[in-house]
Amino acid sequence: KQEVTQIPAALSVPEGENLVLNCSFTDSAIYNLQWFRQDPGKGLTSLLLIQSSQREQTSGRLNASLDKSSGRSTLYIAASQPGDSATYLCAVSFDRGSTLGRLYFGRGTQLTVWP
Amino acid sequence: NAGVMQNPRHLVRRRGQEARLRCSPMKGHSHVYWYRQLPEEGLKFMVYLQKENIIDESGMPKERFSAEFPKEGPSILRIQQVVRGDSAAYFCASSPSAAGSPLHFGNGTRLTVT
Repeated sequence: KQEVTQIPAALSVPEGENLVLNCSFTDSAIYNLQWFRQDPGKGLTSLLLIQSSQREQTSGRLNASLDKSSGRSTLYIAASQPGDSATYLCAVSFDRGSTLGRLYFGRGTQLTVWP
Repeated sequence: NAGVMQNPRHLVRRRGQEARLRCSPMKGHSHVYWYRQLPEEGLKFMVYLQKENIIDESGMPKERFSAEFPKEGPSILRIQQVVRGDSAAYFCASSPSAAGSPLHFGNGTRLTVT
């Protein structure tokens, strides 16, 4: 069964801290992995997309890594700011027995950054 | 270039009524996905469509739910005879190809069944 798990479920940190969000998946045969941000009552904003052949992707203060063999991805946020407060979702497109492009989502990590 | 447009943003229906949710993909995107987010749960895939074709509907309930993506116009997710358990946020996403491209999501339609 293809599942995606995120820990922690919630995280509260003071402004300026560097933090790591974790995502694990049950099947190493993935096509790609995508990190999203969701603000309350809003849609999803794509942050980073990592193809299965890549090890990491960076965008500004965000860095996402991928280790297929261990079934893990991490999202690293440097120098966190109150504006980073949101729910962060990890989504995987599996490359086996599933439609390519169909995403399996974790339940998310709810991040609060306080000033 | 407008993003994925969903309407209405909020929809209230009484039990037994029909709900129609619309999604206009980004310009140039011919692949549409519908996802549902139930309260306190993660997003779950429902259906994947290309123009005039349903490619994968394995995530959609067999009864009362249907989806289409006609040659002209938006994609429609239709829920007949709604029940309280259908209350959720329904998100549409689009991409220019089947895989390898990031999905772009709309802001969702929040359906409340009273």
